[in-house]
Amino acid sequence: DIVMTQSPDSLAVSLGEKATINCKSSQSVLHSSINKNYLAWYQQKPGQPPKLLINWASTRESGVPDRFSGSGSGTDFTLTISSLQAEDVAVYYCQQCHSTPYTFGQGTKLEIK
Amino acid sequence: QVQLQESGPGLVKPSETLSLTCTVSGASVSSSYWSWIRQPPGKGLEWIGYIYFSGSTSTNYNPSLKSRVTISVDASKTQFSLKLSSLSAADTAVYYCAKHWGPDYFFDYWGQGTLVTVSS
Repeated sequence: DIVMTQSPDSLAVSLGEKATINCKSSQSVLHSSINKNYLAWYQQKPGQPPKLLINWASTRESGVPDRFSGSGSGTDFTLTISSLQAEDVAVYYCQQCHSTPYTFGQGTKLEIK
Repeated sequence: QVQLQESGPGLVKPSETLSLTCTVSGASVSSSYWSWIRQPPGKGLEWIGYIYFSGSTSTNYNPSLKSRVTISVDASKTQFSLKLSSLSAADTAVYYCAKHWGPDYFFDYWGQGTLVTVSS
């Protein structure tokens, strides 16, 4: 299984400041033949299902604010929120679909400082 | 607009079999892949398995659960189902159904989830 490890486990950031969450996979999730990373980021608010924010490591889903961005390749990835808003308080998960079993990171809880 | 809705019992006894159904609207069950994912209270997400139906059926299960899991589809009812046997307290979780375009695609639509508690 590909193990996904996120850091930090929790993060407190002031409104308007930048938040950065990291995700590391135990093996590469890059399909080199098509140069795509099979890595997604989800946002989960209390009592709600996860919401897909970013796929292919850096492509924002339709309707996702442009303050959310994803970067990285191979085994190291980052989700950045450029200017934290109150509605961004949530748990964030990375997930690989490079191979089954699909696996998620343990989650990063983002709060307001 | 694609919508998914889980249904099933909220309480199941240890050693029994859990049966959940996901009803799909706004999409054909024959056009996508359909997964079950679970989340124990206060914990992270675990993929259980997927099914793909297009004439014939293809399934893929998490090896950690494979011996206890069956996922099936009823295309006429636009539903797919999960059966998980030999339940224990460790199976207590919110169970989600989710859609993805292919075996190497992301979960773009999710149901709201249903909490299943395993307790006598």
